[in-house]
Amino acid sequence: SYEMTQPPSVSVSPGQTASITCTGDQIGDKYVAWYQQRSGQSPLLVLYQDNKRPSGIPERFSGSNSGNTATLTITGTQPMDEADYYCQAWGSDTTYVFGAGTKVTVL
Amino acid sequence: QVQLEESGPGLVKPSETLSLTCTVSGGSITNYYWSWVRQPPGERLEWIGYIFYSGNTKYNPSLESRVAILVDTSKKQFSLVLNSVTAADTAVYYCARSNVGRSGYHMDVWGNGTTVTVSS
Repeated sequence: SYEMTQPPSVSVSPGQTASITCTGDQIGDKYVAWYQQRSGQSPLLVLYQDNKRPSGIPERFSGSNSGNTATLTITGTQPMDEADYYCQAWGSDTTYVFGAGTKVTVL
Repeated sequence: QVQLEESGPGLVKPSETLSLTCTVSGGSITNYYWSWVRQPPGERLEWIGYIFYSGNTKYNPSLESRVAILVDTSKKQFSLVLNSVTAADTAVYYCARSNVGRSGYHMDVWGNGTTVTVSS
């Protein structure tokens, strides 16, 4: 089955840029989605098809995907962005696969 | 906008069957895929499976032998059945609207989740 790796944690100062990576074999050939999960809440889709933002998601969320790495970038990080972030791709066996998640701390 | 709400028992005994229902409101159940996702305490999200409104299903291979997902379009509901549960099935269970195909491969609407504990 397809596997993706994320760093366990990322720390960022308010107003700075946070980058969260998701690595997997030729992940650039797949569409990647990203979800934000605040403590005690359900996941929220923040990016799909690598870099598209659903309605209502701020422009500070952007994404890229090439080679073996997909990246979620939060530009001008705000305290409200503190959450767990999960990448998700479509596996070769036509199933949804999630990364282990990255805890973003805004210090 | 579309809203999803999970319902079902919060406590299930080991070896018994877990049954949950997701009710779709504010939108149509047709022309979409509908998934179940779970999250054990402190762990990652795990996709369980999905059903198309027409009844076609796809399951996570790791759970396929124990799981079934059903749909009732007249009630705008879809359901999860998980057999022979153990403590490892203790988790928050989410239902989600899923996209498969040209629109991408992601879940764009999620329920609030329901906690299921497996314990005697």
